Amino acid sequence: GQQLNQSPQSMFIQEGEDVSMNCTSSSIFNTWLWYKQDPGEGPVLLIALYKAGELTSNGRLTAQFGITRKDSFLNISASIPSDVGIYFCAGLSWGRRALTFGSGTRLQVQP
Amino acid sequence: DVKVTQSSRYLVKRTGEKVFLECVQDMDHENMFWYRQDPGLGLRLIYFSYDVKMKEKGDIPEGYSVSREKKERFSLILESASTNQTSMYLCASSFSPLGNEQFFGPGTRLTVL
Repeated sequence: GQQLNQSPQSMFIQEGEDVSMNCTSSSIFNTWLWYKQDPGEGPVLLIALYKAGELTSNGRLTAQFGITRKDSFLNISASIPSDVGIYFCAGLSWGRRALTFGSGTRLQVQP
Repeated sequence: DVKVTQSSRYLVKRTGEKVFLECVQDMDHENMFWYRQDPGLGLRLIYFSYDVKMKEKGDIPEGYSVSREKKERFSLILESASTNQTSMYLCASSFSPLGNEQFFGPGTRLTVL
C-alpha cells in the first residue's frame, strides 16, 4: 500500500524555538493534512492543503503542499509548552476514499 | 460543536472473546472510519463506510469486521480477540465524500490478555 515517511520521529526542544517536520512519499497526493494528537485524545485537524505549492498558516503553524505533490512540511514558530503532542501528516490520493497517515512526530517542549 | 464519541476509553478483554467497539457521530456525516494506532506505525485504516450498510476494507482488515446499521453509528467487531490486537482504536467521521478532513473520537485503548 501507500506509505508516508514522516520525519523526525521525535523532537525535544526548548520553549521559543521553531520546529520543522516533513512527510514524503513515492506516490502523488492531491490533499495533504496535518493533525495534532494531545496525550489521551484523538487527533485534531490543524491545516488542510489542496493545491500543489499552497502555503497555509494557522496561527504559529505554517504548512506547505510540495510542488511535486509527493511531500509536505509543517513549521511551528516560537514553540510553547502546549505544543507538546504527536503530529501526523496525512494524504489523500486519487481513487482512494481514505487517508494515508504518516507514523507521527512526537514533540516535547522544555519550558 | 462537532462530536465523535466512543463507547469506552479503556477496555480489557481475554483472548478469544468477541469484542464490540462502538462509535457515534452527531454531525450527519456519510463517511466513518476505524483505525488502530500503534507506536511508530501511525494510524492504520481497518475498515471504513461511506453509507449505511456499506463497508470497505482498509489496509489491515484481517481479524476485524464492522457494522453500520444507522448513519450515526459505526461498530468495530473483533470476532475472537487476540493479544496482537492490543492497541489504541480510533474512530473518525468525515463530511467530505473524499474522506478527507476527518474528525476523530478520543480513542479506546484495548488490552487483550
